[in-house]
Amino acid sequence: SQTIHQWPATLVQPVGSPLSLECTVEGTSNPNLYWYRQAAGRGLQLLFYSVGIGQISSEVPQNLSASRPQDRQFILSSKKLLLSDSGFYLCAWTRGSSEQYFGPGTRLTVT
Amino acid sequence: DQQVKQNSPSLSVQEGRISILNCDYTNSMFDYFLWYKKYPAEGPTFLISISSIKDKNEDGRFTVFLNKSAKHLSLHIVPSQPGDSAVYFCAARPPQGGSEKLVFGKGTKLTVNP
Repeated sequence: SQTIHQWPATLVQPVGSPLSLECTVEGTSNPNLYWYRQAAGRGLQLLFYSVGIGQISSEVPQNLSASRPQDRQFILSSKKLLLSDSGFYLCAWTRGSSEQYFGPGTRLTVT
Repeated sequence: DQQVKQNSPSLSVQEGRISILNCDYTNSMFDYFLWYKKYPAEGPTFLISISSIKDKNEDGRFTVFLNKSAKHLSLHIVPSQPGDSAVYFCAARPPQGGSEKLVFGKGTKLTVNP
């Protein structure tokens, strides 16, 4: 069966510090991968998606970036965090269907 | 421009009664719709979906209805249980190949009271 992992589960970072969130998927190959953010009181905003290694599409302009160094690994990064980057970050995958399967999420608080 | 709208931020029902969650969309090209359930501090879990060629899909206590002419879908939960208390997201798929991107609504928080 397929499993999706995200870490860390929670993170508190000061403004201006770097960020690296990691997502890995097990039990499948060549998945589509997605990064979402859920800000307080808001819905799910798609940040990035990837259909293959090294292929990243950005949905919204921001100071975040994403990379896919391996088939089942998706990384969300920032060089300098802003207060507005606080939120709940979710990684998701799909392969051959529209049902996206989400990871447990990372709660990021920028102070 | 919000293409998928869930106009009720919250809904409260009694245990055993029906819960009806609504979702409206603006893009008539959406061809697939999904509902997700999310507990606090967890990732959303897929609940049920419906293709645009159907008007109803049922799975146990959960039924999704699609009214294409009104660009409206709804999720019915019968009977509602306290464990159903969660935030429910409606999502729609644009007709594009490869990316399988979904457009999500802002969610409706359902509270089922014992």
